Amino acid sequence: EVQLVESGGGLVQPGGSLRLSCAASGFIFSNYWMSWVRQAPGKGLEWVAKINQRASEEYYVDAVKGRLTISRDNAKNFLYLQLNSLRADDTAVYYCATEASFRFDFWGQGSLVTVSS
Amino acid sequence: QSALTQPPSASGSPGQSVAISCTGTSSDVGGSIYVSWYQQYPGKAPKLLIYEVNKRPSGVPDRFSGSKSGNTASLTVSGLQADDEADYYCASYAGSNNAAVFGGGTKLTVL
Repeated sequence: EVQLVESGGGLVQPGGSLRLSCAASGFIFSNYWMSWVRQAPGKGLEWVAKINQRASEEYYVDAVKGRLTISRDNAKNFLYLQLNSLRADDTAVYYCATEASFRFDFWGQGSLVTVSS
Repeated sequence: QSALTQPPSASGSPGQSVAISCTGTSSDVGGSIYVSWYQQYPGKAPKLLIYEVNKRPSGVPDRFSGSKSGNTASLTVSGLQADDEADYYCASYAGSNNAAVFGGGTKLTVL
């Protein structure tokens, strides 16, 4: 059974940093592109970033370029999202998901990041 | 990378069919086969319903179908059931930067 479990969310002050983790199991993690998708409270889904199987390619939505960094550890089956210079509008549930041809097959349960003073 | 346009709400009675639209541009929806649809219940993660415009993953009922015409994709839910009441999102290749873009979401109410 495919499982994706996010962790690392919490309350952080504006300008602060946080690292989200996503533990993958039940599939060959190193074979998949992986993405982060976020959802602000009461709002829609927003694709944030993606990384290829070997971590040699990264892509980001314009709104987060330079502040968020996606990475992965295939030996440990973990996906990460480093969030820096956080702003109030980064407040959201962050989901990790497998991606193939711009479709998101499997999703984690999400991790809430709240940016507030 | 502007969000795709979906109606905020849709509704239908049990047994009826309802279609939800997703409008983009010739750069994203209109120019790509990579259109997908997701169902999301409150407080839960999204679930893939349709990919590549009209393909269903294993386990998704054939009551859910997808289509596309020009810059607009559509999800049709036939034989509405009470548990179809949820939020529905479309997604597409954004047309550049290997990026994806989602629609704003449609809340489906079963009357």
